[in-house]
Amino acid sequence: DAGVTQSPTHLIKTRGQQVTLRCSPKSGHDTVSWYQQALGQGPQFIFQYYEEEERQRGNFPDRFSGHQFPNYSSELNVNALLLGDSALYLCASSDRGRGNTEAFFGQGTRLTVV
Amino acid sequence: KNQVEQSPQSLIILEGKNCTLQCNYTVSPFSNLRWYKQDTGRGPVSLTIMTFSENTKSNGRYTATLDADTKQSSLHITASQLSDSASYICVVSLNTGGFKTIFGAGTRLFVKA
Repeated sequence: DAGVTQSPTHLIKTRGQQVTLRCSPKSGHDTVSWYQQALGQGPQFIFQYYEEEERQRGNFPDRFSGHQFPNYSSELNVNALLLGDSALYLCASSDRGRGNTEAFFGQGTRLTVV
Repeated sequence: KNQVEQSPQSLIILEGKNCTLQCNYTVSPFSNLRWYKQDTGRGPVSLTIMTFSENTKSNGRYTATLDADTKQSSLHITASQLSDSASYICVVSLNTGGFKTIFGAGTRLFVKA
């Protein structure tokens, strides 16, 4: 049983560019949440997708957008990259349909903006 | 304001020693509290989860306690090992009908030989 998988593992982008990060949830999970983790900080909630809709959103600008596909996988898109967007981006999946809030995390995507 | 504060920010202990990490929260309405272990550059891994009615939960050498009245939790690590070197993150979930969670900044633990 594969856990949460994220791709790519590392990424380097230039300021102003756009980036897409991908996440496949744990088998049987229907909800995907995205987090940004700056170095030395705890993860900050970006948004959560369930049934292909954004259900909750943290304090992140509209440059951060996402999508969930029918197979429950998800993408995080960031436009007009800033140096401050450099961070570890974590994806977590859970089984909202069964009321289970336990989140399983992927290994993360390390994004560096130069 | 919903907040989760952890202390200390970092901690250095010798292998074999015990340690206790603290988590204070001002989250309402409370649903559950989890402790995660996060190795550098990796995703967090769940250690324990406690609901409002649970006072303690163990997972091997890790024991978490919860005092819902004072809104405090602790994670006690017994007989530390070098592999315990990691960040330990306290996460509180809100009972809002959705899945809102508040993460602490974490405690960075260094175990030295």
